[in-house]
Amino acid sequence: DTGVSQDPRHKITKRGQNVTFRCDPISEHNRLYWYRQTLGQGPEFLTYFQNEAQLEKSRLLSDRFSAERPKGSFSTLEIQRTEQGDSAMYLCASSLNQPQETQYFGPGTRLLVL
Amino acid sequence: SQQGEEDPQALSIQEGENATMNCSYKTSINNLQWYRQNSGRGLVHLILIRSNEREKHSGRLRVTLDTSKKSSSLLITASRAADTASYFCATAPKTSYDKVIFGPGTSLSVIP
Repeated sequence: DTGVSQDPRHKITKRGQNVTFRCDPISEHNRLYWYRQTLGQGPEFLTYFQNEAQLEKSRLLSDRFSAERPKGSFSTLEIQRTEQGDSAMYLCASSLNQPQETQYFGPGTRLLVL
Repeated sequence: SQQGEEDPQALSIQEGENATMNCSYKTSINNLQWYRQNSGRGLVHLILIRSNEREKHSGRLRVTLDTSKKSSSLLITASRAADTASYFCATAPKTSYDKVIFGPGTSLSVIP
């Protein structure tokens, strides 16, 4: 399967712990996006990369959140000092090197902060 | 506030009927996309319609775009139980170089 993959699929953590999620995009895709989705809502944009450059971050993304995409391949999203309000589905998507075009989503990582 | 808003929030129909969902948005767009999400899973792209297009078809899907009214509709014909999912419109604002903004979605239930 050459689609977008995310790991882990589920994560349960205690408040105050750090968590890291990984996303592997479709290999030829230059653009990679992170979204957060809560129940009954659409995905909310968090940040995106073009190759290894992080080009935009949402104001929703507090300083506890950091994302990287070393070498322009896979990406990681880290949440430090997790809070219960961070509980959500974290989605990764990738697209070819054209802005605002079709995005291909991974299955998501569901985070539960206790 | 969100760029796109789907209507209705929830829709329940019998298998074989047509389902229509609407999306309204606020600012000028480059394109509008529809995605489907099955329960607890990632989104799947259905169709993209550009601002200079008025209608597009893909299999049982028909999408219309009215830029003067800032609205779009997604029609699913001859629905099947497998169409049960949440449907999201995503708008690509002219003011944002590389973001699309998702609405809250329409939850569609197709009853066998």
